[in-house]
Amino acid sequence: QKEVEQNSGPLSVPEGAIASLNCTYSDRGSQSFFWYRQYSGKSPELIMFIYSNGDKEDGRFTAQLNKASQYVSLLIRDSQPSDSATYLCAGPYGNQFYFGTGTSLTVIP
Amino acid sequence: EAQVTQNPRYLITVTGKKLTVTCSQNMNHEYMSWYRQDPGLGLRQIYYSMNVEVTDKGDVPEGYKVSRKEKRNFPLILESPSPNQTSLYFCASSLSTPGHFSPATFGSGTRLTVV
Repeated sequence: QKEVEQNSGPLSVPEGAIASLNCTYSDRGSQSFFWYRQYSGKSPELIMFIYSNGDKEDGRFTAQLNKASQYVSLLIRDSQPSDSATYLCAGPYGNQFYFGTGTSLTVIP
Repeated sequence: EAQVTQNPRYLITVTGKKLTVTCSQNMNHEYMSWYRQDPGLGLRQIYYSMNVEVTDKGDVPEGYKVSRKEKRNFPLILESPSPNQTSLYFCASSLSTPGHFSPATFGSGTRLTVV
């Protein structure tokens, strides 16, 4: 199993819908997880980070961390065409930092 | 402006010709790292550094070298580039310390083509 695993998608949702992105991780000791958004050819930019079990909300974005299941997710409410991008989850394993392979999201107007 | 500066943005070179990609951050971050991004494989860590004079291999270090002589700079060196090192490279930095990871700031990327 990879340290951070993400279902690759692609995922298409209509404008205004909720997009749900998921990730699993292998290190039970990991304390922090990050969601990045990456537009084609651009560098990743941080969307959210979460350090504790439960939900964390920031505007239209909600990150969820379930340490018992080793599962982290990102919900995007009221999806907009500008949300169309690749979303990367990331987390540590030892002193290294691992990224999932990304989920490509398309929001259809 | 807080940023990670990577140069060059684009580079085409020939097999075996040594090259250096520079990376500099102005945020006094401890942790710096290099990634390569390839289609279907995502971002893979090449090398990372948790402090000055401390560097460690990531998952794909073969064919690369790094140094961390100053806190702000973390150059990536390809001593003898080969076509399989054609990729998109990112430098990143963060306040991460052992056992506690902080969000990373990425450079703009370097698209390297080795012919």
